[in-house]
Amino acid sequence: DAGVIQSPRHEVTEMGQEVTLRCKPISGHNSLFWYRQTMMRGLELLIYFNNNVPIDDSGMPEDRFSAKMPNASFSTLKIQPSEPRDSAVYFCASSHSGTGSYNEQFFGPGTRLTVL
Amino acid sequence: KNQVEQSPQSLIILEGKNCTLQCNYTVSPFSNLRWYKQDTGRGPVSLTIMTFSENTKSNRRYTATLDADTKQSSLHITASQLSDSASYICVVSAGSKLIFGQGTTLQVKP
Repeated sequence: DAGVIQSPRHEVTEMGQEVTLRCKPISGHNSLFWYRQTMMRGLELLIYFNNNVPIDDSGMPEDRFSAKMPNASFSTLKIQPSEPRDSAVYFCASSHSGTGSYNEQFFGPGTRLTVL
Repeated sequence: KNQVEQSPQSLIILEGKNCTLQCNYTVSPFSNLRWYKQDTGRGPVSLTIMTFSENTKSNRRYTATLDADTKQSSLHITASQLSDSASYICVVSAGSKLIFGQGTTLQVKP
C-alpha cells in the first residue's frame, strides 16, 4: 500500500488566491482527518470524516476553509481566499474508525503551504 | 478546560543514553492516549496507543506508561540512537475530540 497520498507537497500562492489541497486515504480506511501544523500552535485537528460524512468540523478556523469527501478515496481542503496566516503544513490522515477509537491514524507527508 | 502539557519542551542527549519525556493531561472524558514521533519534514508516526486500563506499552526501544489516576504519561527511550532525533507528540482523545500537546523536540548527538 502506498500510504496516505497528499498533493501538492508544496504550494506557494499569493494572498487572495484559492488553494486546494488533495488527499487520498489508505484503501479500506473509513475515517479521514485534516490537520494543520504551525510552530506557534502545534498540530490542530481541522475536520474529520467518517464514511465520507463530516463528523466534526469545529476545528475549521473560519468560513474561508471548506472540506469535502465526495467518495471513499478522495478528499479536498479548500481555502478561499487565502491569507498569509494560513501558511502552515497541512496533514491528511486516515484510519479504520473515528477519533475515539483505539485504531492508529496514518499520516500523509503533508502539504507545505506558503501564502505571500 | 481540556489540556495536554508536555515537558521538557526540548532535550539534548548523547547517543546511547536513555531519556524520559512527560505528558500531563486534564481531559474528560478520557478515551485513549497516543504518542507520536515526527521526523523533520514528515508526518507523525504512531508509537503507542493506550486506553485507561493499560499502564505500560512497549514498541521496540520506546516504552510508554500511563497513570490514569494522576493523569500522567511518560515515554521512555532506551539506548538512544541518532535516528531518535525528532519531535514527540502526546495526543489524548476526549470522546470525539483530539487534544494535542505542543511536543518535545529531542536531539541525539554522537
